[in-house]
Amino acid sequence: GENVEQHPSTLSVQEGDSAVIKCTYSDSASNYFPWYKQELGKRPQLIIDIRSNVGEKKDQRIAVTLNKTAKHFSLHITETQPEDSAVYFCAAPYGNNRLAFGKGNQVVVIP
Amino acid sequence: NAGVTQTPKFQVLKTGQSMTLQCAQDMNHEYMSWYRQDPGMGLRLIHYSVGAGITDQGEVPNGYNVSRSTTEDFPLRLLSAAPSQTSVYFCASSYSSGGYEQFFGPGTRLTVL
Repeated sequence: GENVEQHPSTLSVQEGDSAVIKCTYSDSASNYFPWYKQELGKRPQLIIDIRSNVGEKKDQRIAVTLNKTAKHFSLHITETQPEDSAVYFCAAPYGNNRLAFGKGNQVVVIP
Repeated sequence: NAGVTQTPKFQVLKTGQSMTLQCAQDMNHEYMSWYRQDPGMGLRLIHYSVGAGITDQGEVPNGYNVSRSTTEDFPLRLLSAAPSQTSVYFCASSYSSGGYEQFFGPGTRLTVL
């Protein structure tokens, strides 16, 4: 199956600074790479995704970059705010319609 | 649209009891799935379905059963609950497969004593 790993497991940043989370995957056939945000006690929600035919995608303060050769993709959050504090999950599809998630990154934005 | 709904929100079972977690979606999505979330383990796929009448196993299927008789509903059955099944369970749906945005339900927190 797909092996999805996220680093670092916990990231603390000062408000206003940037945060970067890296995700590696193992299945070279994967072609879709989403990032989900989960606030405490809430359900995961998609914040940004990228397909393998592009290298970068931006949406306001968040961006995702993809390196298919190295099999990793990263989430970039600029000008962090307290509401960015959450657990972030990356995922990658594999096999027949399955989706594998990483174990999550806890991001703490310090005011 | 209600999106993806799950019932119950909380449940306490004794070891050996069986129960069904309900999941429904009103977005006409073909793909539905069940995940369990344990501390430090992320989201692990239990079972999934690509359409009515079609189901398949995920990463951690043992002890769980599913069926998909309609597009809207995808119940998860615990056959004989064990303490190791204490977890938060999320149902999700998407347009077509794991390669599209997953819409998650609010989750069911299950405790097995």
